[in-house]
Formats: sequence, structure tokens, C-alpha cells
Amino acid sequence: AQSVTQLDSQVPVFEEAPVELRCNYSSSVSVYLFWYVQYPNQGLQLLLKYLSGSTLVKGINGFEAEFNKSQTSFHLRKPSVHISDTAEYFCAVSPIGAGNMLTFGGGTRLMVKP
Amino acid sequence: GAGVSQSPRYKVAKRGQDVALRCDPISGHVSLFWYQQALGQGPEFLTYFQNEAQLDKSGLPSDRFFAERPEGSVSTLKIQRTQQEDSAVYLCASSLLGGADNVLTFGAGSRLTVL
Repeated sequence: AQSVTQLDSQVPVFEEAPVELRCNYSSSVSVYLFWYVQYPNQGLQLLLKYLSGSTLVKGINGFEAEFNKSQTSFHLRKPSVHISDTAEYFCAVSPIGAGNMLTFGGGTRLMVKP
Repeated sequence: GAGVSQSPRYKVAKRGQDVALRCDPISGHVSLFWYQQALGQGPEFLTYFQNEAQLDKSGLPSDRFFAERPEGSVSTLKIQRTQQEDSAVYLCASSLLGGADNVLTFGAGSRLTVL
């Protein structure tokens, strides 16, 4: 079985500041890793994913994440946030071979202040 | 269609009623998933279809939950004898194929409130 822990339930940050949203996972097998964003009254949208290869993954809207196997982490970063980045962010994993059957973390609410 | 469409968007049911939630995936998408998202929590996997075949239903919380996709396109999630703990947003998602390299597109969800 897999589990995902997002250590911060809320992250307040000022506009144009950098931000890191933390994600740690536990799994007895190798996994794929994902970050999704959920805007109010909208469906979840894929930000980025790690399947293989370079451990630094770049996604949409200027976000990037780094897979650290030894620390079982997949933290999400953005060097300069905008008001429009205010949303709920979810980290997720799936066992290799299990496709899009995802196990999600509890989410982190990013609140960007002017 | 252009996206994944779910209906109804909001449903209020009295405890003990049966409900049916509909999902229209993107046309041509083979894989379809249902997730349950309780208030303040992340989504939890319920079940997975490839075309009309239900390949995994390990996440369905009880035998009151039933999902079908008879013609390999539209899917319905049915909950019998609803209980208060069934209150959640039910998310449907589809992808062209089942592999993780296929982007999963989510609908906006159906919010179920059981009184």
C-alpha cells in the first residue's frame, strides 16, 4: 500500500515570493509521482509528473518538482508566485504499472497575498 | 466533448435514499476512474474501467456502492441506502489509455450531501 503526506495544510505567501509545497510518500514498491492543482469549482488539473529519467521535473505555470528517492520526497517549487496561483495543491503517487490509480495526499492550500 | 462532464453537480439526499451520479468522459477515452473526496481531504480511488470492463473496484467502501459503464463511454456511480458518511464530492476522470503517461482529465465533480 502507498501513503502520501503533505506536511502543510496551508501555505500563505506574498505575491512574487518563492514557495515550496512539501510532499513525502511511503511505498513498498516503486512509484510514479504527480502534482495536481484544484481551483475553486473546477476539476483537478495535472501540474507535472515524474515517471522516469531526470529527477527535476518542470510543469505548467512555472512550477517544478524534484524527486528524491532516498528521502521519499517530491516537493513542489515555484520561484515567484502570482495571485492566480491561489488554489489547492495535491501530491499523488501510483505504483509502477498501476497507471492512473492514484493515492493522494491531503492537499495544501496555497494562499497568495498581494 | 471538450472535457469530462458530471451530473448532477449538486445532490441532496435524505438518509436511506438511492442516488445515481453520471459521468460523460472525453470522447474516445478508454479509461475511466471514480474518486471520492471528503471535505478537507484528498481524493480517494473508488473504481476503474477500461472500456466497459471494471478492472478494479477495490476502493468502493461498501456493497452499497455500484458503478457501471455498459457501453464503454458514459458511466454511472450508484449509491444505495445513502448514509451521512457518504457525503462527499465524487470525481470522475478519464484518460485516452490506462498508463500513467496518459494525462488524466478530471470533471468538476458531483457534490453529494446526505441529510
